[in-house]
Amino acid sequence: GENVEQHPSTLSVQEGDSAVIKCTYSDSASNYFPWYKQELGKRPQLIIDIRSNVGEKKDQRIAVTLNKTAKHFSLHITETQPEDSAVYFCAATSRTSYGKLTFGQGTILTVHP
Amino acid sequence: NAGVTQTPKFQVLKTGQSMTLQCAQDMNHEYMSWYRQDPGMGLRLIHYSVGAGITDQGEVPNGYNVSRSTTEDFPLRLLSAAPSQTSVYFCASRGKGQGRNEQFFGPGTRLTVL
Repeated sequence: GENVEQHPSTLSVQEGDSAVIKCTYSDSASNYFPWYKQELGKRPQLIIDIRSNVGEKKDQRIAVTLNKTAKHFSLHITETQPEDSAVYFCAATSRTSYGKLTFGQGTILTVHP
Repeated sequence: NAGVTQTPKFQVLKTGQSMTLQCAQDMNHEYMSWYRQDPGMGLRLIHYSVGAGITDQGEVPNGYNVSRSTTEDFPLRLLSAAPSQTSVYFCASRGKGQGRNEQFFGPGTRLTVL
């Protein structure tokens, strides 16, 4: 089955800096890669996703890049703000997985004012 | 739309007790899943369903049962609770087909087994 590794486990940045979180996956059939943000005590919420036929996707201050050959994808947050502080999870799934997501272990991002 | 709802929000059980965690969605989604979240381990899939009457095991199914008698509901049953089942449980749903990849999560149930 799919295995997703996420690094780093914790990330501390100053407000205004950029933050990068990286994930690797094992199943070459995986074709959909979402990123979720989870605030303390809340449910995970989708912030951006990318499909395997696209190399990069941007939405304002966040972007995701995908390298299918190397089987890794990354989340980039620019101009970080204190409200970006949360746990971020990457995940992967394939067309034949019927929506079952395999998650990375999570990254605790702290943005210091 | 209420989206994905879960009850209860919090529950404390004694070892050996049984209970059912409720999950419902009003988005007519075919796919539904149960995940558990433990510190440092992300979310792990317990059971999932691709439609009414069809369920299958995920990564960590032992100690849990599910059924899907309707499209809307997907309850998770703990047969005989153990302290190792102390966790936060999330139900999720998504639609079927191209362009319907987003998985929507319920608010979670925080379960403590003593």
